[in-house]
Amino acid sequence: DIVMTQSPDSLAVSLGERATINCKSSQTILSSSTNKNYLAWFQQKPGQPPKMLIYWASTRGSGVPDRFSGSGSGTDFTLTISSLQAEDVAVYYCQQYYSPITFGQGTRLEIK
Amino acid sequence: QVQLVQSGAEVKKPGASVKVSCKASGYTFTSHSMHWVRQAPGQRLEWIGCLRGDSSHTEYPQKFQGRVTIISDTSAATAYMELTSLRSEDTALYYCARGTHSGSWIIDHWGQGTLVTVSS
Repeated sequence: DIVMTQSPDSLAVSLGERATINCKSSQTILSSSTNKNYLAWFQQKPGQPPKMLIYWASTRGSGVPDRFSGSGSGTDFTLTISSLQAEDVAVYYCQQYYSPITFGQGTRLEIK
Repeated sequence: QVQLVQSGAEVKKPGASVKVSCKASGYTFTSHSMHWVRQAPGQRLEWIGCLRGDSSHTEYPQKFQGRVTIISDTSAATAYMELTSLRSEDTALYYCARGTHSGSWIIDHWGQGTLVTVSS
């Protein structure tokens, strides 16, 4: 199975500042046939199911604010929140759906 | 709007089986795949398997092959996940989650979760 490793495990950022979460896959999740990266990002708030933020590594889901962006290719990916809002406090997970589906261990984002 | 409503919490003894349901509404059930993911305390999210929207094909990770079955009743727009030979390590919150189209592995909506507790 493809192992997804996120860094850091936890992160504290001031309101209005940038937050960056990294995700590394144990093998490439870039398909040579589709030229797409099979990576998604989810946000999970306490007591709620995960919510999809990003898919194909950089495509925002429906209704997701544009302060959330995804980047990267191959094995290294990043989720960036450009200006942290109070409602962004959550655990963030990366997920690969190349073969089959595995998740990162999660990154807890808090307000500094 | 898309809604996935799961059945209530279950308490099972080791060796027993559990069957969790997930009723979908707000979209055409057969046009989207259905995935199952679990979240054990302190563990990362773990994919259990999926079923194509037209129920033609299931996919399970090797870890769960032989122990999990995912089916659906398209007339009732309801999916089911059955896990057998339960052990304490299966204690977790189990989610159903919709794929973006019939064969999709991209998950866009989640149910509220069903807590399954395995204890003697």
